[in-house]
Amino acid sequence: GAVVSQHPSRVICKSGTSVKIECRSLDFQATTMFWYRQFPKKSLMLMATSNEGSKATYEQGVEKDKFLINHASLTLSTLTVTSAHPEDSSFYICSARSGSGRNYGYTFGSGTRLTVV
Amino acid sequence: DAKTTQPNSMESNEEEPVHLPCNHSTISGTDYIHWYRQLPSQGPEYVIHGLTSNVNNRMASLAIAEDRKSSTLILHRATLRDAAVYYCILIGGETSGSRLTFGEGTQLTVNP
Repeated sequence: GAVVSQHPSRVICKSGTSVKIECRSLDFQATTMFWYRQFPKKSLMLMATSNEGSKATYEQGVEKDKFLINHASLTLSTLTVTSAHPEDSSFYICSARSGSGRNYGYTFGSGTRLTVV
Repeated sequence: DAKTTQPNSMESNEEEPVHLPCNHSTISGTDYIHWYRQLPSQGPEYVIHGLTSNVNNRMASLAIAEDRKSSTLILHRATLRDAAVYYCILIGGETSGSRLTFGEGTQLTVNP
């Protein structure tokens, strides 16, 4: 089945630094990937839709200059949290749509736990 | 995105069937009904999806009402590993490239 690999699984960084999270589709091509963040005991919140070869589409209220998304190939999308602050600490999850026609689904990475100290 | 309504939480005993309901009264004709679940500290995983007919797979069954305004995810024999948050989500037809947005889901607790 479709597999999405997300790396790193955990990262701790200092305030003011930047962190890059990678999301790879291992056995399929994904023209579109999605980035979410999740706070404890809360549901997933869609941050942005990443489109291969074009600019990402951000959800309302998400700062595009703070959460940089690059989708340079059909198998890789990256999310960079720039100038991280403690309030950016969260669980970040990526997803990619796989399959075609009526037989499709969304596959998720295992998530990245970001802690900003 | 069409909205779904699920109970906040449900409880079950191990090896008993579990019926997780979902209401989606504003579903459109091309919306598929998807179910995902999320175990603690993991990304969501796909469970099942359907359009009009009931569906079965290794993980679960999906029963869809005739008017499609509600559906039920059925776990035939709950195990402790089925304890998770279950999300019922409507996704547009295959040409829409729909964003996948999550509601609050149902927290399923399985008692030994």
